[in-house]
Amino acid sequence: TQLLEQSPQFLSIQEGENLTVYCNSSSVFSSLQWYRQEPGEGPVLLVTVVTGGEVKKLKRLTFQFGDARKDSSLHITAAQPGDTGLYLCAGSDSWGKLQFGAGTQVVVTP
Amino acid sequence: DSGVTQTPKHLITATGQRVTLRCSPRSGDLSVYWYQQSLDQGLQFLIQYYNGEERAKGNILERFSAQQFPDLHSELNLSSLELGDSALYFCASSVVAGGLETQYFGPGTRLLVL
Repeated sequence: TQLLEQSPQFLSIQEGENLTVYCNSSSVFSSLQWYRQEPGEGPVLLVTVVTGGEVKKLKRLTFQFGDARKDSSLHITAAQPGDTGLYLCAGSDSWGKLQFGAGTQVVVTP
Repeated sequence: DSGVTQTPKHLITATGQRVTLRCSPRSGDLSVYWYQQSLDQGLQFLIQYYNGEERAKGNILERFSAQQFPDLHSELNLSSLELGDSALYFCASSVVAGGLETQYFGPGTRLLVL
C-alpha cells in the first residue's frame, strides 16, 4: 500500500513550459524529500523539507511542504530537456526509513 | 557519482536460482538500505543495516536475506527466484547532518529472472 500518492503519473511538456508535480499523503512525516531518477541510475536527492509551510528554491525548481506536513509540490519553471526524469517524493519517519511515492515521469521535449 | 557502488550491474538468471547482490557504501557511512524498484510497485524499502546490525525491515520476502559485514559492505541474497522478482535493486548509504538524514543511492543491479 502506497502511503504517498504522486500526480500526475506522467507529464510531457515542451521546453520553456512550467509544470507542477504533487505528492499527497494521509500520514504526517517528520520530513519529506524529493528525488530525481534518470534512466539506468539511482535516485538523486534534490531537496529535503522539514517545516510545515516551508518553501525551498533550487534554481528553477520550487518545493513546497504543506502546512500539515502531509503534502508537497514541486514546480519547475521554464522546463528544459535536462529536467527529464522520474521525480520521486519520499516521506521519512523518525527512524529515517523512507516511504516512496510511485513517481511522476516528466519528459521535456526541445 | 554518489560514491555507493553496486555489483553486478546486470544479472540474468532462471527461476528457482539464488543470487547475491553486493553493495559498498560511501566511505564512512554506517547505514545501508536495500530497495526494490519494479514497474508496478515503485520503489519499495526492503531492509536497513546500521554498523552490522539489522535496524529496520520493510517489505522483504522470507526468500530474501541480507547482511552487513565488518567492513560495512552489504549483500542481499535472493533465493528460489520467481519471475516477479525481476526488478532493479538499489542500495543506499546515509549520513545524518543537522538532524536530517540523506540517502545516497547506488546505480542499482538490474535482475532479470527468466
